[in-house]
Amino acid sequence: SQTIHQWPATLVQPVGSPLSLECTVEGTSNPNLYWYRQAAGRGLQLLFYSVGIGQISSEVPQNLSASRPQDRQFILSSKKLLLSDSGFYLCAWKDPTLVSEQFFGPGTRLTVL
Amino acid sequence: AQKITQTQPGMFVQEKEAVTLDCTYDTSDPSYGLFWYKQPSSGEMIFLIYQGSYDQQNATEGRYSLNFQKARKSANLVISASQLGDSAMYFCAMREGRRGSSGDKLTFGTGTRLAVRP
Repeated sequence: SQTIHQWPATLVQPVGSPLSLECTVEGTSNPNLYWYRQAAGRGLQLLFYSVGIGQISSEVPQNLSASRPQDRQFILSSKKLLLSDSGFYLCAWKDPTLVSEQFFGPGTRLTVL
Repeated sequence: AQKITQTQPGMFVQEKEAVTLDCTYDTSDPSYGLFWYKQPSSGEMIFLIYQGSYDQQNATEGRYSLNFQKARKSANLVISASQLGDSAMYFCAMREGRRGSSGDKLTFGTGTRLAVRP
């Protein structure tokens, strides 16, 4: 069966510090991968998605970036965090060959102070 | 214009009763998919139900059913026989275009917080 992991689960970082959040998927190959951010009490906003290694599409302008160095690994990064980067970050995957839902990871709660 | 609109920020329902959570969508693409997810306080996103734009019948999954009214562009979630464990945020989402197009991206609504009263 497929599983999706995210780490860390919780992160507190000062403004201006770098960021690296990691997402890995097991039990599938060639998945579509997605990064979402959820502000407190709000809906999910798609940040990036990837349909293959090295292929990244950005949905909103921001100081975040994403990379997909391996088929089942998706990384969200920032060189300098802003206060507005605080939120709940969710990674998701989907089998592109099926009419199926996206499957979400457990999320990372980021607080920028 | 908002692609997904959920007009109920919060809802209450008595245990064992049915509840309807509203969702309207906006798209000009004839091919699309509609999804409902549940988010408990733990934060995980749990898939509940899916409706394709060409599906003739309303989707059902156990106690969940989707009241799909294509002409009105609504896709309301109906939860029958509410349980205390149903208390959570509920999100409606849409995929525009055929499966596999544009990365199968989803657009989410702002959610409805459901509280089930004992």
